[in-house]
Amino acid sequence: GAGVSQTPSNKVTEKGKYVELRCDPISGHTALYWYRQSLGQGPEFLIYFQGTGAADDSGLPNDRFFAVRPEGSVSTLKIQRTERGDSAVYLCASSLAGGADTQYFGPGTRLTVL
Amino acid sequence: DAKTTQPPSMDCAEGRAANLPCNHSTISGNEYVYWYRQIHSQGPQYIIHGLKNNETNEMASLIITEDRKSSTLILPHATLRDTAVYYCIVRSPTSGTYKYIFGTGTRLKVLA
Repeated sequence: GAGVSQTPSNKVTEKGKYVELRCDPISGHTALYWYRQSLGQGPEFLIYFQGTGAADDSGLPNDRFFAVRPEGSVSTLKIQRTERGDSAVYLCASSLAGGADTQYFGPGTRLTVL
Repeated sequence: DAKTTQPPSMDCAEGRAANLPCNHSTISGNEYVYWYRQIHSQGPQYIIHGLKNNETNEMASLIITEDRKSSTLILPHATLRDTAVYYCIVRSPTSGTYKYIFGTGTRLKVLA
């Protein structure tokens, strides 16, 4: 079956611009996670959705970052006033019901802020 | 969540078994050990997980010591396509978020 998909695969933007990154989870998965991976590091947790609600957004670095999942399926990560330090690979993962269920990752979106 | 320690890099000859160690000395009784790998420019790929008993699937075997303070991921016949960064994660099923906390992993290079 189809896995987690993320669009775009690459995004280049200029400092100060607004960007949106999209995640399509595996069909039927109620839990969705966003992670960020900087070069040479492991992924770092950003936010967790259970259904439509953000159950934990403690990993979001500041208020320029926001994510939504209005219908409990597709999620969008939004970054305002981008900074060069936001450059990273943004990964999305989904799991069947959250909890201890295994997370399955998408290929990521590589964001470059010039 | 417990912290994990892995060697930064390892080499393995093609066709031989690759044994990747992980220390998790502060693991709690209800925390699972998960292994993922990340091939260059791809998202992390699930390999295997376990709690106490050794586990085996089509990709790998997971050996957890009796005191659960360390584990070893075994790729029985490594191929060039197994070259990747391997992450060992300890995850509590009772923490509210169930997020993964990744370390920097072990970069495995399979040599022809």
